[in-house]
Amino acid sequence: DTGVSQDPRHKITKRGQNVTFRCDPISEHNRLYWYRQTLGQGPEFLTYFQNEAQLEKSRLLSDRFSAERPKGSFSTLEIQRTEQGDSAMYLCASSLGDREGEQYFGPGTRLTVT
Amino acid sequence: AQTVTQSQPEMSVQEAETVTLSCTYDTSESDYYLFWYKQPPSRQMILVIRQEAYKQQNATENRFSVNFQKAAKSFSLKISDSQLGDAAMYFCAYRSPHYGGSQGNLIFGKGTKLSVKP
Repeated sequence: DTGVSQDPRHKITKRGQNVTFRCDPISEHNRLYWYRQTLGQGPEFLTYFQNEAQLEKSRLLSDRFSAERPKGSFSTLEIQRTEQGDSAMYLCASSLGDREGEQYFGPGTRLTVT
Repeated sequence: AQTVTQSQPEMSVQEAETVTLSCTYDTSESDYYLFWYKQPPSRQMILVIRQEAYKQQNATENRFSVNFQKAAKSFSLKISDSQLGDAAMYFCAYRSPHYGGSQGNLIFGKGTKLSVKP
């Protein structure tokens, strides 16, 4: 068990560019969550996968955001045409799908849009 | 929809003393989970303690304990014998159980920044 990893840890991009983040969950975890955390706030739910299926998307996830989890392993979160309001920490968490499933968080990707 | 409220943006405690962080929540569900997460500066979020709503006994984890008042929808965290390493943001979080169509995502409060004075 090596924990949840995220790449890159930091990303600076110019407004209008596309960015993609990667999350590698704990290997046996079938559930994967993306959250967004802005300064001074708690994390907010973006989307969730059970295996490879994306089962829920928050209203925070605009059409410029897309997430995938091919083969139910790692996941990617892409933001197209980035805006300054997208600047935030993007957190990934994974868990087992049982009732007791505790979510383990990765270190996050900090996005700065200039 | 469920909500979580942390009314203390910042708290401070002297090393070796005890501090209590407050959290209230709103839900119409009878079965759920409550959590306290710790997020040190520039480090990842880790689980401190969890409480299942169907359990009357308050959860305890070493120096960390909770006061769970289901009727009042209150879930406070007590840190005893505070240490310098306890300095961090503390988030209270709510989760529905993984059944009945719930995706099981966490709903977080805004957090309390805890400082520990040597």
